[in-house]
Amino acid sequence: QKEVEQNSGPLSVPEGAIASLNCTYSDRGSQSFFWYRQYSGKSPELIMFIYSNGDKEDGRFTAQLNKASQYVSLLIRDSQPSDSATYLCAVSSSASKIIFGSGTRLSIRP
Amino acid sequence: NAGVTQTPKFQVLKTGQSMTLQCAQDMNHNSMYWYRQDPGMGLRLIYYSASEGTTDKGEVPNGYNVSRLNKREFSLRLESAAPSQTSVYFCAFRGWRTEAFFGQGTRLTVV
Repeated sequence: QKEVEQNSGPLSVPEGAIASLNCTYSDRGSQSFFWYRQYSGKSPELIMFIYSNGDKEDGRFTAQLNKASQYVSLLIRDSQPSDSATYLCAVSSSASKIIFGSGTRLSIRP
Repeated sequence: NAGVTQTPKFQVLKTGQSMTLQCAQDMNHNSMYWYRQDPGMGLRLIYYSASEGTTDKGEVPNGYNVSRLNKREFSLRLESAAPSQTSVYFCAFRGWRTEAFFGQGTRLTVV
């Protein structure tokens, strides 16, 4: 079992709708949680980070963390074609290790 | 790419050849990482270095060695390249929010 699990997709969402991406992790000692966006042929770029249980909002993005359930999610509101990309969940432990999930491909259809 | 320089950008090797991928950061951060990315596999951690002078294995260390030469530089060496090591390799450092910042990647093909 991978330490960080994501549904590989592809996830297809109509333009203007909410895209919901999910991630689970196995290490209960994990302390930091991240969402990255990666366009084809490019490096991953950080879009959200969250450390505490609950919701964190930044523009059209909301990250949600539930440590008891070992679950992290990303909501993208008012989805745009430019949001079409692969989204990577990453989890960091206190030992400096940062582990990524396999990524979810998101496609926004006009 | 956020203060991380990777060289080379592209490389073709023959099976059995060796090579070193270079990575340097100019942000004076302690932790550095090497990942590989294959289609559908996300990013898999090869090795990481929490500080100068220390290195630790990640998820897929077999076939690789690393050197943390100083605080700025973290190199990845393939001693005897195999076709299974064909991949895109990313170096990263850990920022102040504990997130990873990535270099532009090295596209390696082993034939």
